[in-house]
Amino acid sequence: EAGVTQFPSHSVIEKGQTVTLRCDPISGHDNLYWYRRVMGKEIKFLLHFVKESKQDESGMPNNRFLAERTGGTYSTLKVQPAELEDSGVYFCASSQDRGTGELFFGEGSRLTVL
Amino acid sequence: DAKTTQPPSMDCAEGRAANLPCNHSTISGNEYVYWYRQIHSQGPQYIIHGLKNNETNEMASLIITEDRKSSTLILPHATLRDTAVYYCIVSFNTDKLIFGTGTRLQVFP
Repeated sequence: EAGVTQFPSHSVIEKGQTVTLRCDPISGHDNLYWYRRVMGKEIKFLLHFVKESKQDESGMPNNRFLAERTGGTYSTLKVQPAELEDSGVYFCASSQDRGTGELFFGEGSRLTVL
Repeated sequence: DAKTTQPPSMDCAEGRAANLPCNHSTISGNEYVYWYRQIHSQGPQYIIHGLKNNETNEMASLIITEDRKSSTLILPHATLRDTAVYYCIVSFNTDKLIFGTGTRLQVFP
């Protein structure tokens, strides 16, 4: 069974450009999460989807970030326009059950903004 | 802010048990204790979780004190591949995990 896959693994863009990160959760997992670690900081929660609905987006840093999960399958996270402080690793995770189940994380998408 | 306190780093000899402590003195009655780890730059990996009772799986054991204010993750026979940052997380569920700074475990030959 395939795990959580993320694309691209690494993206290098210039300040002001747009980047879209994609996450394919494990098949059948209704819950999808985005986390990120910026340089030198801790891993931080961004948002949580249940199917196609945003359950909690309290961790989204500002309106330059837009997450979607149309159809309740894969998700995209768009950063527009990117700023230097957006550099970091963006992790996606999925789970079958809400509550006390295990989260399965992808390998992350490293974003470098120059 | 993380609700847990962990030592920043620990060493362990290969083949020996690694005991990673975690303090969570403000834990609520229905909050779970989760352990995840991050090996190098990979995504976090779930290890184990528990509520009140001690738990064991193929990866590790989790010992929770009776007052639930602290816990210990035990890797019974550490290998070099267990070198990672280990995160102790207290949460009602997995909807929003708060990762702290964790413990960097270095397993040496």
